[in-house]
Amino acid sequence: EDQVTQSPEALRLQEGESSSLNCSYTVSGLRGLFWYRQDPGKGPEFLFTLYSAGEEKEKERLKATLTKKESFLHITAPKPEDSATYLCAVHLSGGYQKVTFGTGTKLQVIP
Amino acid sequence: NAGVTQTPKFQVLKTGQSMTLQCAQDMNHEYMSWYRQDPGMGLRLIHYSVGAGITDQGEVPNGYNVSRSTTEDFPLRLLSAAPSQTSVYFCASSPLAGWTGELFFGEGSRLTVL
Repeated sequence: EDQVTQSPEALRLQEGESSSLNCSYTVSGLRGLFWYRQDPGKGPEFLFTLYSAGEEKEKERLKATLTKKESFLHITAPKPEDSATYLCAVHLSGGYQKVTFGTGTKLQVIP
Repeated sequence: NAGVTQTPKFQVLKTGQSMTLQCAQDMNHEYMSWYRQDPGMGLRLIHYSVGAGITDQGEVPNGYNVSRSTTEDFPLRLLSAAPSQTSVYFCASSPLAGWTGELFFGEGSRLTVL
């Protein structure tokens, strides 16, 4: 069965304290791995797509990396506005836009 | 620039009542979908559509109906609401050709079934 597991469930950081979020996956036929950000009371907002092991994408203080079994979202010198829930999702072969989401990591950045 | 618009934002139903959650997008996207989000469960796909007149089931379709008569609209119908359908519902859309992984989500509809 295809599975996407995110850890930790919640993370509290001081402003400027860098850390990483993990997304491990057990799927067959991975076509891509996505990261989304979700603010309270809002819909998820797309951040990155990674297609193959070794690939990296960056956006401001965020950097996503991909291996054959997991992805990391590195947050460098976070600010309070980075507080959100970060969702990992995998795109599987065999269907239109067939995407399986993880349960997310809730990040809180304290000033 | 509206994007994906969902209505209503909040709704309270009694068990057995019916209702329709509305979703409209103005980006001419072929693909539209409905997800539900529950604590500890992540987003789960209910139904999806790849164009007008074409719909299919997702992971958790039971208790929900959909139709797609236009490119813009994709309503989700609950025919007889149950407490297990208490959730936050998200509509999402995307183009089909050249898809890069971005789903465009609405702001959600929070449904409570008593």
